[in-house]
Amino acid sequence: EAGVTQFPSHSVIEKGQTVTLRCDPISGHDNLYWYRRVMGKEIKFLLHFVKESKQDESGMPNNRFLAERTGGTYSTLKVQPAELEDSGVYFCASSYTTSGANVLTFGAGSRLTVL
Amino acid sequence: AQSVTQLDSQVPVFEEAPVELRCNYSSSVSVYLFWYVQYPNQGLQLLLKYLSGSTLVKGINGFEAEFNKSQTSFHLRKPSVHISDTAEYFCAVSDQYSGYSTLTFGKGTMLLVSP
Repeated sequence: EAGVTQFPSHSVIEKGQTVTLRCDPISGHDNLYWYRRVMGKEIKFLLHFVKESKQDESGMPNNRFLAERTGGTYSTLKVQPAELEDSGVYFCASSYTTSGANVLTFGAGSRLTVL
Repeated sequence: AQSVTQLDSQVPVFEEAPVELRCNYSSSVSVYLFWYVQYPNQGLQLLLKYLSGSTLVKGINGFEAEFNKSQTSFHLRKPSVHISDTAEYFCAVSDQYSGYSTLTFGKGTMLLVSP
């Protein structure tokens, strides 16, 4: 089975520009998560989709970040306008919905560098 | 809410030596526990998990971890490391009652294996 795919692997943009990160989850996974790791810090939760609906977006830093999940399949995370502090690695993860423990499969991450 | 502490940011070790990476957590509810590994230029890979049952959990690549509820710890061990184990290791927890796995990560421990 194909894993979680993220694109681009690395993006370098200037402050004020817009970047869109894409995540393709494992086929059939209802749950899709976005996490972010800023250099030297923990990997932190951003938001969670169940199919096309946002279940929890409590980790989104501010309204410059917009996440969508069209048709409950792939997801995009747009940063507009980007600021220096947005630099980091953005991880996407997906999982099945189960009654027990929900084990996430992560993608390779998208590294964002804002200059 | 939960928190995870990985006390060691870096652990240098010689090849074939044993290693222990420490993880302590704090939570007001019962938790699931995970170790993820990130090899250079790769994504997060699940190494092992504790969901219930035996407190000694075996994972991939010869790693194991022991859940100690009284000490709120989940230390990762390997009796003999290889150069290829050089990677960053992340301890993570999720609570058992939220219905969705919002993982809380530690800051990571870089394992540096030298010949």
